[in-house]
Amino acid sequence: EAQVTQNPRYLITVTGKKLTVTCSQNMNHEYMSWYRQDPGLGLRQIYYSMNVEVTDKGDVPEGYKVSRKEKRNFPLILESPSPNQTSLYFCASSIQGGWETQYFGPGTRLLVL
Amino acid sequence: AQTVTQSQPEMSVQEAETVTLSCTYDTSESDYYLFWYKQPPSRQMILVIRQEAYKQQNATENRFSVNFQKAAKSFSLKISDSQLGDAAMYFCAYRFSGGSNYKLTFGKGTLLTVNP
Repeated sequence: EAQVTQNPRYLITVTGKKLTVTCSQNMNHEYMSWYRQDPGLGLRQIYYSMNVEVTDKGDVPEGYKVSRKEKRNFPLILESPSPNQTSLYFCASSIQGGWETQYFGPGTRLLVL
Repeated sequence: AQTVTQSQPEMSVQEAETVTLSCTYDTSESDYYLFWYKQPPSRQMILVIRQEAYKQQNATENRFSVNFQKAAKSFSLKISDSQLGDAAMYFCAYRFSGGSNYKLTFGKGTLLTVNP
């Protein structure tokens, strides 16, 4: 089954404790992206990757890092989480080119105390 | 920068009736794609329907159809024969067809309630 998986699905942490949210897709997609969803703001892009070792900032990259060492994986790293990073996070992937839809993961709900 | 506006934070409809959700966008590009995503209580993002800007014909997917007005930069979603399972948050999204970032720009969403 074609899918995007994220782990963990729920996470409660404290300010400053480094964490990683994993994202993996089994569709051999070149393009992957991270979004955060906050009430009343819709979804906003954090980072994206066009292919292995190619990443770039989205609209709200501050406080986040990413890496793309393998095509299927695109982890989101919060080196020193702060309460304003409490949010619902989505990973998405698609093939390059055309208007292929982006497939979204199930979301990771993060609470930073 | 592109922006997407959904002017109706909440809408309600009676089961079996028809409802239309509004969306306007702002862009200086001529080639782009428009999408409607559904987010039920599970929080999963589900693609409902999509439209290519160069196509004049409005997209249709079963009970879902759009009214795409390129000159007015309007992209409304019509849900016919509404069902209880249609209750969800609906997001309108824009994507430029060129460039290297396939970023989706989302509106703030419309929460649809379906009354039995």
